[in-house]
Amino acid sequence: GENVEQHPSTLSVQEGDSAVIKCTYSDSASNYFPWYKQELGKRPQLIIDIRSNVGEKKDQRIAVTLNKTAKHFSLHITETQPEDSAVYFCAASSNYQLIWGAGTKLIIKP
Amino acid sequence: DTGVSQDPRHKITKRGQNVTFRCDPISEHNRLYWYRQTLGQGPEFLTYFQNEAQLEKSRLLSDRFSAERPKGSFSTLEIQRTEQGDSAMYLCASTTQGGDTEAFFGQGTRLTVV
Repeated sequence: GENVEQHPSTLSVQEGDSAVIKCTYSDSASNYFPWYKQELGKRPQLIIDIRSNVGEKKDQRIAVTLNKTAKHFSLHITETQPEDSAVYFCAASSNYQLIWGAGTKLIIKP
Repeated sequence: DTGVSQDPRHKITKRGQNVTFRCDPISEHNRLYWYRQTLGQGPEFLTYFQNEAQLEKSRLLSDRFSAERPKGSFSTLEIQRTEQGDSAMYLCASTTQGGDTEAFFGQGTRLTVV
């Protein structure tokens, strides 16, 4: 079955700098890769997603890249702001099921 | 709020008791998922429904767990003979169709078994 690994588990960056979170997956049949943001005590919410027929997608300060050959995908946040502080989860989907990474706690230092 | 709703938000129960949680998905969504999340971890898949049919159940799921979605709308998750290890956040999510569309999550039910 699918296995998703996410690194780092904690990431601390200076406000205004960029943050990069990386995930690898094992099932080459996976075709959908969403990223969710979860603030403390709140539900996970989708921030960006990418499908296997696309190599990169960008939405304002957030971008995701996908390397199907290497089976890894990354989240890039530029010009980080205090409200970016949260736990970020990657996931990979094959057919009906999302398999989640363990999460990255992003800390934005003022 | 027309999103996914879950009830109750918090549940404290004694070990050995049964508990039942409810999830009301977004009305036009035919797929409904249950996840369990412990502190510092990502959501762990438990089971999912397409309409009223339960199509998959995690191999990790104990026989003490059962879920239903009798009319293809709301769903219930029951845990029988609760154990302390069942303490977690139970999240429900719904989507319009397969695993390649956005999953909308409810606020979750936090279960504490004492």
